Amino acid sequence: QVSLAESGGGVVQPGRSLRLSCAASGFNLNNCGIHWVRQAPGKGLEWVAAILFDGSNKYYADSVKGRFTISRDNSKNTLYLQMNSLRSDDTAVYFCAKDRDGDYVLDYWGQGTLVTVSS
Amino acid sequence: DIQMTQSPSSLSTSVGDRVTITCQASQDINNHLNWYQQKPGKAPKFLIYDASNLQTGVPSRFSGSGSGTDFNFTINNLQPDDIATYYCQQYDNLFPITFGQGTRLDIK
Repeated sequence: QVSLAESGGGVVQPGRSLRLSCAASGFNLNNCGIHWVRQAPGKGLEWVAAILFDGSNKYYADSVKGRFTISRDNSKNTLYLQMNSLRSDDTAVYFCAKDRDGDYVLDYWGQGTLVTVSS
Repeated sequence: DIQMTQSPSSLSTSVGDRVTITCQASQDINNHLNWYQQKPGKAPKFLIYDASNLQTGVPSRFSGSGSGTDFNFTINNLQPDDIATYYCQQYDNLFPITFGQGTRLDIK
């Protein structure tokens, strides 16, 4: 049974860092692409970043490029999103989502973790 | 980046209604469009891929159509469990993937 579980959210001051985790079960991360999608309070969905199945190709939204880094630990079957230089407009629920077959269909989602950037 | 314009932004509906949501892309995206349902406080749920293909287990009252720049998402015989926000998502030029602004359904 496929599932994803995010963790690591919390309240952080502007300019500080936070690392989110996405633990996968029921499938192997090392042969699957994973995306991060966020949702600011009361707003719509915004794609943030992705790592493709081979792990060598990573992509980022312009709004986070240079500040966020996606990585994974195959031995732990866990994906990470390192977020540096956080800003107030990064405040959102962050979801990780599995890419169905390298076709950018997000077929399984975690429950999300809330990141609040505030002084 | 490809912009996705979804309308309406909200819709008051009744059980049994036929509901149609439109999604317009800022350029031709072939049929590279997916639809998701999101209930309050929950993660999105994948419903339709490649504009018109239902994910396994999704009720047949849901359907999608369109190609190029104009797409429709329809719910026939709306059920109370369908009250949610619906999003389109394009993936034609790969990254960035972009979503429509969402359409929130509520009961009159």
